Amino acid sequence: EAGVTQFPSHSVIEKGQTVTLRCDPISGHDNLYWYRRVMGKEIKFLLHFVKESKQDESGMPNNRFLAERTGGTYSTLKVQPAELEDSGVYFCASSPLAGINNEQFFGPGTRLTVL
Amino acid sequence: ELKVEQNPLFLSMQEGKNYTIYCNYSTTSDRLYWYRQDPGKSLESLFVLLSNGAVKQEGRLMASLDTKARLSTLHITAAVHDLSATYFCAVDLTTTSGTYKYIFGTGTRLKVLA
Repeated sequence: EAGVTQFPSHSVIEKGQTVTLRCDPISGHDNLYWYRRVMGKEIKFLLHFVKESKQDESGMPNNRFLAERTGGTYSTLKVQPAELEDSGVYFCASSPLAGINNEQFFGPGTRLTVL
Repeated sequence: ELKVEQNPLFLSMQEGKNYTIYCNYSTTSDRLYWYRQDPGKSLESLFVLLSNGAVKQEGRLMASLDTKARLSTLHITAAVHDLSATYFCAVDLTTTSGTYKYIFGTGTRLKVLA
């Protein structure tokens, strides 16, 4: 069974540009999460989808970040315009809707560098 | 606000030695998770601890959970080089809207020296 995949693995952009990150969850997982780790800090929650609906976006830093999950399959996270402080590793995770222990399965992350 | 404190942040140890990583959290939770991350790779699930007193072991790693003390430990026995990685604990927080999310500790970067 394929795990959670993320694309790209690395992205280097200049301040003010736009970047779109993609996450493909494990097939059949209705829960999809985005997290971010800024250099030297803990991994922080950004938002949670159940199927195509945003259940909790309390962790989104500001309105430069837009997450979508059309069709309830893959998700994209767009940063527009990117700022220096957006640099970090963005992780995606998924879990089944009726998971018995809330265990989340993580992708390898996308390392974003904003210059 | 729920806080999860993990220590130490960095750990350099000799092969064959034992050590413990600690994970303290600030609010009630019955579920705690340990993950391992190798550079550039996914967070790999190590242990899922679901109740007070839970103890799980896999190879040289053993994790325990004390929900009364709000403490989990990850004990390493007779470390080997292959255990070098970053270890994260995460606490499951159920929100008022009924959804849940992880709150992570800062991670412990472990380096096992030959």
